[in-house]
Amino acid sequence: AQTVTQSQPEMSVQEAETVTLSCTYDTSENNYYLFWYKQPPSRQMILVIRQEAYKQQNATENRFSVNFQKAAKSFSLKISDSQLGDTAMYFCAVGTASKLTFGTGTRLQVTL
Amino acid sequence: DSGVTQTPKHLITATGQRVTLRCSPRSGDLSVYWYQQSLDQGLQFLIQYYNGEERAKGNILERFSAQQFPDLHSELNLSSLELGDSALYFCASSVQGQNYGYTFGSGTRLTVV
Repeated sequence: AQTVTQSQPEMSVQEAETVTLSCTYDTSENNYYLFWYKQPPSRQMILVIRQEAYKQQNATENRFSVNFQKAAKSFSLKISDSQLGDTAMYFCAVGTASKLTFGTGTRLQVTL
Repeated sequence: DSGVTQTPKHLITATGQRVTLRCSPRSGDLSVYWYQQSLDQGLQFLIQYYNGEERAKGNILERFSAQQFPDLHSELNLSSLELGDSALYFCASSVQGQNYGYTFGSGTRLTVV
């Protein structure tokens, strides 16, 4: 079985501040990938960042970075210099050869 | 535009009816995945096709079926619809497997009344 847990249903951050969204996962596969997707009010699913589990170096995409702790099966997303456009639902996901499993999401509100 | 096209964008139908949702994957992608997202819920995997063949099944009801055609577009058929089937249905595509993540379409919002 493959599970993804996002323990923060909602979070709020002020514009220009930094916020970290938590994610833990469990999989029996040795070869897997981790993803963060963003779903703004438009409901479009947008890939934010991906991490290969075999790589120790944490992935970074502009203001978005991850803290990947393989032994702890933890994959958190850090958003720096938060912008109003970052307001969205964020889903963590783990992908293996057979499936991509999503967490229940964290709703992030960026305020002025 | 993600390159994955889903039609229609919105669909309202009555209980007991049957509908077909259509998905055209991104050019070059062989795999198509269908997901269901109920209100304020996560995404539930329904089914995957790869180059015309069913590859994996998730929590797909027997009333639901899908297929992928030779031109790689896919259709999700939902029959004997119930109120609880109201949801956003996403199609996603990938070149092969999930290693680089999926590209999602904009979804079809189905409302069963």
